[in-house]
Amino acid sequence: AQTVTQSQPEMSVQEAETVTLSCTYDTSESDYYLFWYKQPPSRQMILVIRQEAYKQQNATENRFSVNFQKAAKSFSLKISDSQLGDAAMYFCAYRSGGYSGGGADGLTFGKGTHLIIQP
Amino acid sequence: DVKVTQSSRYLVKRTGEKVFLECVQDMDHENMFWYRQDPGLGLRLIYFSYDVKMKEKGDIPEGYSVSREKKERFSLILESASTNQTSMYLCASSLIIGTDYGYTFGSGTRLTVV
Repeated sequence: AQTVTQSQPEMSVQEAETVTLSCTYDTSESDYYLFWYKQPPSRQMILVIRQEAYKQQNATENRFSVNFQKAAKSFSLKISDSQLGDAAMYFCAYRSGGYSGGGADGLTFGKGTHLIIQP
Repeated sequence: DVKVTQSSRYLVKRTGEKVFLECVQDMDHENMFWYRQDPGLGLRLIYFSYDVKMKEKGDIPEGYSVSREKKERFSLILESASTNQTSMYLCASSLIIGTDYGYTFGSGTRLTVV
């Protein structure tokens, strides 16, 4: 079974600064997807960024980028120019890439990192 | 935009009651999921369904059952609610093909069992 580990229960950053959230995972598969989700106080889980394991290039979405190290099984999220609206719980998640034919497995989540933005 | 709608945002039930949590999605997604979210534990998969009337156990299915009679609707059932089932419940949906786009989640139901 796959596991996802987020070692930082809470992080704090000054507004406009850069912060990096850590995520490591354990898998024996070669084909998989990795995600970062944001959950603000509204509780709505929002997809921030995704990475396909077969792609060497790190994914980027505006101020959000990842550092994907496949050999090290590491998938960190970098938030540049932090804004007050970035304050939320952030979850790293893993999904198998194989199509089982009988349906898809669910996402495996880490325990989350609570990001605080200091004004 | 895909919408996943959970029928209740907050729910309070008594121990031993039968509880139904409803989830509806409007984009013809094959897959639907029920997760439970607890502080310090993240999200844990209870059950998922990849087609009408099909269901698979997730990591923590004990004490729960599910029903999927129509493609757009996926219900989570607590046959006899217990206080250790007090939690936040999140429903999600996805396509089978193209699931690299991740899942779409509902806004959650915070269930309290007293």
